Amino acid sequence: QKEVEQDPGPLSVPEGAIVSLNCTYSNSAFQYFMWYRQYSRKGPELLMYTYSSGNKEDGRFTAQVDKSSKYISLFIRDSQPSDSATYLCAMESGAQKLVFGQGTRLTINP
Amino acid sequence: GAVVSQHPSWVICKSGTSVKIECRSLDFQATTMFWYRQFPKQSLMLMATSNEGSKATYEQGVEKDKFLINHASLTLSTLTVTSAHPEDSSFYICSSPTGIGSTEAFFGQGTRLTVV
Repeated sequence: QKEVEQDPGPLSVPEGAIVSLNCTYSNSAFQYFMWYRQYSRKGPELLMYTYSSGNKEDGRFTAQVDKSSKYISLFIRDSQPSDSATYLCAMESGAQKLVFGQGTRLTINP
Repeated sequence: GAVVSQHPSWVICKSGTSVKIECRSLDFQATTMFWYRQFPKQSLMLMATSNEGSKATYEQGVEKDKFLINHASLTLSTLTVTSAHPEDSSFYICSSPTGIGSTEAFFGQGTRLTVV
């Protein structure tokens, strides 16, 4: 079993839709949870960073962490074509080493 | 914000040759640099962790004699793929935390290596 599971998609939605991206994990030691956006042939870009359970909102993006279920989510409101990218969840238990999900390829159709 | 500059962005080399990839921290001191490899449609897999002034730590299954890592200064870490083979063709990415205890990591732009 992988430490972090993420549906690779692809996921295709119309512009303006609410997008929900999710990851599950098995390692209860994970404390820090991150979402990265990666455009084709580019390095990942940090979108959201949360510690422990709860919600965090930044503009159109909301990150949720449910440690009891070992489940994290990223919601994108009012999705735009420019949001089309691969979204990677990442987690860390310490020592600054990140464990990544497989990434979900998202396409927002105009 | 913190920037990690990675070069080259792409490289094509012949089998058996060596390729060096550089990552530079532009506005902070990178005590630690992580090196990842990403195959198409797959996640980033940590290859090794380099620390300035000491030997790199390699993840299980990664050949340290094939993937040479040097972290000679606080602003530069290099990965050399030695005796490259076509199966080494991949996207290589470096990243560095922005500070001690920080879990935020900033990534280089990535290097697409194609071995022919």
